[in-house]
Amino acid sequence: DQQVKQNSPSLSVQEGRISILNCDYTNSMFDYFLWYKKYPAEGPTFLISISSIKDKNEDGRFTVFLNKSAKHLSLHIVPSQPGDSAVYFCAASVLNQGAQKLVFGQGTRLTINP
Amino acid sequence: GAGVSQSPRYKVAKRGQDVALRCDPISGHVSLFWYQQALGQGPEFLTYFQNEAQLDKSGLPSDRFFAERPEGSVSTLKIQRTQQEDSAVYLCASLRGGRETQYFGPGTRLLVL
Repeated sequence: DQQVKQNSPSLSVQEGRISILNCDYTNSMFDYFLWYKKYPAEGPTFLISISSIKDKNEDGRFTVFLNKSAKHLSLHIVPSQPGDSAVYFCAASVLNQGAQKLVFGQGTRLTINP
Repeated sequence: GAGVSQSPRYKVAKRGQDVALRCDPISGHVSLFWYQQALGQGPEFLTYFQNEAQLDKSGLPSDRFFAERPEGSVSTLKIQRTQQEDSAVYLCASLRGGRETQYFGPGTRLLVL
């Protein structure tokens, strides 16, 4: 029972163009969503988040969009740079017992081509 | 230290062997999580501590898995009688609490032969 799904295992984008990574979830109790980035042999690092009361959050080149009715979120990276090549994980959470337990998607490997 | 550290970084175990994986969280971080990441998958929740109290262990896959954080800082994840399906990367994350950012360690890659 995969509560958070990233249906694209990989994505290849040309440098300078927009990268769009997608994520779907099934549990309507989730109220906070995050994107993490992971390089090989390293742990995931936090990128950007969005609360369920918002539909957009922007931080520099990164924007996350949330469509609650469709239970869908996306991460836009503009412009894409070679250093953005990594695996991106979408995660959803609900606050429980004082902390948020993250439920991750399977990840999307993004490759930025020069 | 500056970030979350985990040791060992790599562990090869024979099936049936016991292993212990260590996590040193960021100083002052109250909350600590353990996740298991199988090959090609996202991290999956195992267990959660607030200080020394283990508040949620619903993700531990079997009673062979045991975690502790006796002094509310360093945590150890112990796997008894390891099986091949235990092969995965085990990630530790710490945070100050609530909706604060979870900071992940580099993980311990466990291979059970």
